[in-house]
Amino acid sequence: EDQVTQSPEALRLQEGESSSLNCSYTVSGLRGLFWYRQDPGKGPEFLFTLYSAGEEKEKERLKATLTKKESFLHITAPKPEDSATYLCAVQPYNTDKLIFGTGTRLQVFP
Amino acid sequence: ETGVTQSPTHLIKTRGQQVTLRCSSQSGHNTVSWYQQALGQGPQFIFQYYREEENGRGNFPPRFSGLQFPNYSSELNVNALELDDSALYLCASSLLQGLEAFFGQGTRLTVV
Repeated sequence: EDQVTQSPEALRLQEGESSSLNCSYTVSGLRGLFWYRQDPGKGPEFLFTLYSAGEEKEKERLKATLTKKESFLHITAPKPEDSATYLCAVQPYNTDKLIFGTGTRLQVFP
Repeated sequence: ETGVTQSPTHLIKTRGQQVTLRCSSQSGHNTVSWYQQALGQGPQFIFQYYREEENGRGNFPPRFSGLQFPNYSSELNVNALELDDSALYLCASSLLQGLEAFFGQGTRLTVV
């Protein structure tokens, strides 16, 4: 069964304290792995799509990496405005649906 | 701004009633997917529409149904509402087999 597990469930960081969020997945053929940011009560905001193992993408303080079994979202020198829930999703081959994890709630304190 | 708009933003319904949620997809996108997100959970796939036809469905009962219109906008209908249907309902637009899906802000449905 296709499945996504994210860890940790919650993460509290001091401003400037870098860290990583993990997304482990099992899927019968990966078309793409997605990262989204979600603020409370809002829809997910698209961050990255990764297609193959070894791929990396960056956007401001965020960097996403992909291996055959997991993806990491690295946050460098986070700011309070980075506080949000970060969702990981996989899209298997032969389907257009996204399978989401339960997310990591990130809080960054000044 | 993603360009995907949903209405209404909030809705309160009574158990047993029916509800219709609406979504306008991003310009140029021909595929609309609907997701249900319970509090503290990740979004769960309900179904997808492409060219006005259902193109995949998740583990949701038949009382969840949908439509897609020629302009690619979409509706989600839920009959015989249950308390567990209370959730944030999200619409995502994309190109078929595209690798970027953009979400709307969601409709918060509360069933009492």
